Amino acid sequence: QVQLVQSGADLKKPGASVKVSCKASGYTFTFYYIHWVRQAPGQGLEWMGRINTKTGVPNISQRFQGRITLTRDTSITTGYMELSSLRSDDTAFYYCTRGEMTTVNYFDSWGQGTLVTVSS
Amino acid sequence: DVVMTQSPLSLPVTLGQPASISCISSESLLHSDGNTYFNWFQQRPGQSPRRLIYKISNRDSGVPDRFSGSGSGTYFTLRISRVEADDVGVYYCMQGSHWPPTFGQGTRVEIK
Repeated sequence: QVQLVQSGADLKKPGASVKVSCKASGYTFTFYYIHWVRQAPGQGLEWMGRINTKTGVPNISQRFQGRITLTRDTSITTGYMELSSLRSDDTAFYYCTRGEMTTVNYFDSWGQGTLVTVSS
Repeated sequence: DVVMTQSPLSLPVTLGQPASISCISSESLLHSDGNTYFNWFQQRPGQSPRRLIYKISNRDSGVPDRFSGSGSGTYFTLRISRVEADDVGVYYCMQGSHWPPTFGQGTRVEIK
């Protein structure tokens, strides 16, 4: 079955960077984008960006341009999201999810979420 | 970006009774390929979101038939025919017809 398994919770100081991983299994990795969605405590869902797992080309929300780096390693079917210059309002759950490449089919499977806490 | 507006934001419901959530988009979600890429997600307390409905009215695998979606253009509805305790959580609409994908602000469903 399709699984997206994310790295564990992390605590960072303001100004630092965090890198979250998302290990995919149960499907052909390069047939789907990996998307990243975040959710601040008690808030809604916010799309951050996606990576084309075949080419490695990312598409990033304007809100995170310059602060986010999306990469992937096809040899281990894993996507990564790195967020830099962390602020306290970056404290949130970060989710990976997938989207089909050949059709517009979004977010049918999700990772368990990674809580990133930014605090001095 | 397309703005998705849900109502109500909070929905107290009685077990066994129906419930309905609306979502209005700031632009028509009819894609140039003829499809409408509109989804509903459920997020139970402490869990990741789970997709319930895709392309307006198609239920994902394992989703009970108590859940149904309808609508077109800019106005969409999620209905639960008989609410069960398991349905407590936050429901989000989402559009994928226009770039970037955007979500509604969420509707919290709770039992009265």
